[in-house]
This record gives sequence, structure tokens and C-alpha cells, in this order.
Amino acid sequence: GAVVSQHPSRVICKSGTSVKIECRSLDFQATTMFWYRQFPKQSLMLMATSNEGSKATYEQGVEKDKFLINHASLTLSTLTVTSAHPEDSSFYICRLNSGGNTEAFFGQGTRLTVV
Amino acid sequence: QKEVEQNSGPLSVPEGAIASLNCTYSDRVSQSFFWYRQYSGKSPELIMSIYSNGDKEDGRFTAQLNKASQYVSLLIRDSQPSDSATYLCAVNFLTGGFKTIFGAGTRLFVKA
Repeated sequence: GAVVSQHPSRVICKSGTSVKIECRSLDFQATTMFWYRQFPKQSLMLMATSNEGSKATYEQGVEKDKFLINHASLTLSTLTVTSAHPEDSSFYICRLNSGGNTEAFFGQGTRLTVV
Repeated sequence: QKEVEQNSGPLSVPEGAIASLNCTYSDRVSQSFFWYRQYSGKSPELIMSIYSNGDKEDGRFTAQLNKASQYVSLLIRDSQPSDSATYLCAVNFLTGGFKTIFGAGTRLFVKA
């Protein structure tokens, strides 16, 4: 399968600070990128979908000013959690595909802990 | 509301047995179907994709799709303890662009 690199894999930050998570496709052009969060023993929750060069589409209930998504190129998307709070502690995962009805591949995930 | 439903389990099978995981979906215009495996604390890993009715085999895994019944399943033959994980069913829906909906996952335990 395709190679998707997500980092950092783990991050601990203080309340009120911002954290940036990067997701890169290493061997294909990722026209569409998805960001998910997952709480322990729960399913994936889609946060937003972004297409290269355009603004992300956020799911209902996800604050776009808090979770900033940038998809500036076909190989890189970033998610910035701004003014993080302990309730933002979760597992964040990116998922990339090359557009349309194709397979998509997950990054390794980022375990965010806000203290 | 488009939905993908899975039995949350846990499903427990002995080593060497066949594990059968099931998934139903609500929308008849669903385009493609995927099975992901997720180990605890790890990201999901794509193990099978299927696009047309029938069976698709890959090693010990067989995906079965029946669009008329809106049903997709995953069979794991010769189950191994290393297969113990949560299996996520995902369906692509066409809604002015493709959107993927994930089931809640089925936890599988393979007992040695």
C-alpha cells in the first residue's frame, strides 16, 4: 500500500498552547486528505476533509478556528490544534487518497496529551 | 443519514478457526467497501477493498459483497492470535464527492 508519514507520533503539551501535526504522502499525490480523532475504545470521528488548494470542509460540531487545517500541496497536510485543552487529548489520524473512489491510507496517528 | 453498522463484539474464536465479520450499510448507491484492521493504540491498516458483488480473496482474507442485501463481510481463515484486533468496515458514498463512513468496529479475539 501507499506510504503515509504522520508526525509526531506522540506529543504532550500544556493547556493553552498550540500543536501542529503533519501528514505527508511519500509515494503518491494526495488530492484529498481527511483528519480524524479517536477517543479510547471509540470509533473514528471525521473532523474535516480537505482538497489540495482549497479550504477544508469541517464536520458539524468541529470548530474550524480551533482545528486549523492546511493542505497546501499534494503531499502535505497539517492539522494545528490551537489553544489546546485537556479535553482535546485524543488520537489524531490523517487519511489520504488520490481522489475519487479510490483506496485511502492512514497515517500512523498522533497521540496528543494536553496537561 | 447514511450508516454503516457492525456488531461491536467481542467476537472470540479459537486459533485455526474461521472468523466471520459482518457489516451492513444503509445506502444503495454505495460505491466501494473497505476493511481495516486496527490494533490497540495504532492507526487502522487497510487489509481489503472490494468494489463489485462476489468474493475477493487475498491470502487468508476473503471479502464478500452483496449489494442487493447491502451487506459486506470479511472472513479470516486459519485465525491466528496476531489477528486479534478491531476490524473496521468502511463504505464510500457518493454525495457530491466521495465520503467515507466507518463502522464502529468489531473486536476480534483469537484464543491460542
